Amino acid sequence: QKEVEQNSGPLSVPEGAIASLNCTYSDRVSQSFFWYRQYSGKSPELIMSIYSNGDKEDGRFTAQLNKASQYVSLLIRDSQPSDSATYLCAVNGGNYGQNFVFGPGTRLSVLP
Amino acid sequence: DAMVIQNPRYQVTQFGKPVTLSCSQTLNHNVMYWYQQKSSQAPKLLFHYYDKDFNNEADTPDNFQSRRPNTSFCFLDIRSPGLGDAAMYLCATSGIWGDRGGETQYFGPGTRLLVL
Repeated sequence: QKEVEQNSGPLSVPEGAIASLNCTYSDRVSQSFFWYRQYSGKSPELIMSIYSNGDKEDGRFTAQLNKASQYVSLLIRDSQPSDSATYLCAVNGGNYGQNFVFGPGTRLSVLP
Repeated sequence: DAMVIQNPRYQVTQFGKPVTLSCSQTLNHNVMYWYQQKSSQAPKLLFHYYDKDFNNEADTPDNFQSRRPNTSFCFLDIRSPGLGDAAMYLCATSGIWGDRGGETQYFGPGTRLLVL
């Protein structure tokens, strides 16, 4: 069974610090990787996608992928209270998204 | 501009009374998904349509049905809601993998279902 694991948290960081969110996955043939942010009572919102080993940066967000270690992470620089949310890692092994597997999410709390 | 729209945003129904949730999209995506999400849990895929082809997840109860009359619309029917069906229901869409990132799923705002 394909699994995606994340630390459930809560992860608390002070405002302005770097938040580091981690995710591991079991299916070696996974091809694409996503981070979604979900505020309480709202739907998931795409933050980043990554397909190749290495780093991908978008503003304050950096996704890191290591397929050999089956590990993907999200770094949030200069964390803001508005970043407080649950971050879902999703891994896709199918050819059109039919095999999306979500992790349980990590709850991040950025303290003013 | 809203790309994936769900109606209603909140739905209250009675135990055993059929309910229909709707989803529409302006992205012209081939694939539409329905997820169930309960508090503090990951979204759980119920089924998806690839164009008109329906794909049910093995553990989706028969109580849940879906219809996709055209590319833009998809419906979730819950035939006899139980208390355990109270959840957020999320609709998502994606394109096809031929384009890089085509499999990315975009979510609607969700419908929160309350069963009394």
